[in-house]
Amino acid sequence: RKEVEQDPGPFNVPEGATVAFNCTYSNSASQSFFWYRQDCRKEPKLLMSVYSSGNEDGRFTAQLNRASQYISLLIRDSKLSDSATYLCVVNTGRDDKIIFGKGTRLHILP
Amino acid sequence: GAVVSQHPSWVICKSGTSVKIECRSLDFQATTMFWYRQFPKQSLMLMATSNEGSKATYEQGVEKDKFLINHASLTLSTLTVTSAHPEDSSFYICSARRSGSPYETQYFGPGTRLLVL
Repeated sequence: RKEVEQDPGPFNVPEGATVAFNCTYSNSASQSFFWYRQDCRKEPKLLMSVYSSGNEDGRFTAQLNRASQYISLLIRDSKLSDSATYLCVVNTGRDDKIIFGKGTRLHILP
Repeated sequence: GAVVSQHPSWVICKSGTSVKIECRSLDFQATTMFWYRQFPKQSLMLMATSNEGSKATYEQGVEKDKFLINHASLTLSTLTVTSAHPEDSSFYICSARRSGSPYETQYFGPGTRLLVL
């Protein structure tokens, strides 16, 4: 099992719809979790950290399920500008290393 | 917010030359900086972890003699690609983590596109 796995997509979603995707991680000792967004030919940018209690930032909601070892990202009322690749990032707590998922591509359709 | 800069943003060079990329944390001190490489349509791959004042820790498969990393200060790390070849053409991105908790988020530089002819 890969350390961090994501569905590569692409997810083609009409504007205004709600979309959700998950990311699974293999190391149960993982300490912290993040969602990053990467636009084409740009660097990743932090979207949000994922807290144990779940957290929300505007249209974005992130949740952590330690029992099943996955994190999720929900985007409500999707905008065209949400089109990007969403990277799941896990700090494994081992050797201070973070692992990136391969990313999920999201296309918001007008 | 935390700002990380990289210079240069684009490099085109001949095969066999060495290329130096700088990564700076502009408004915070970074005891740890990371260097990544990303090929087209691939995920970010960690190359090495750089701690200020000590030797970098390289990931398996990354040649430390080819990719020289220096982290001489709390705000600057450099990556030198020695004797670059076409297969080294890639998008090189650094990130920096604020001094303090190891679980702090990383802030990424804008990346450097290297094309070796």
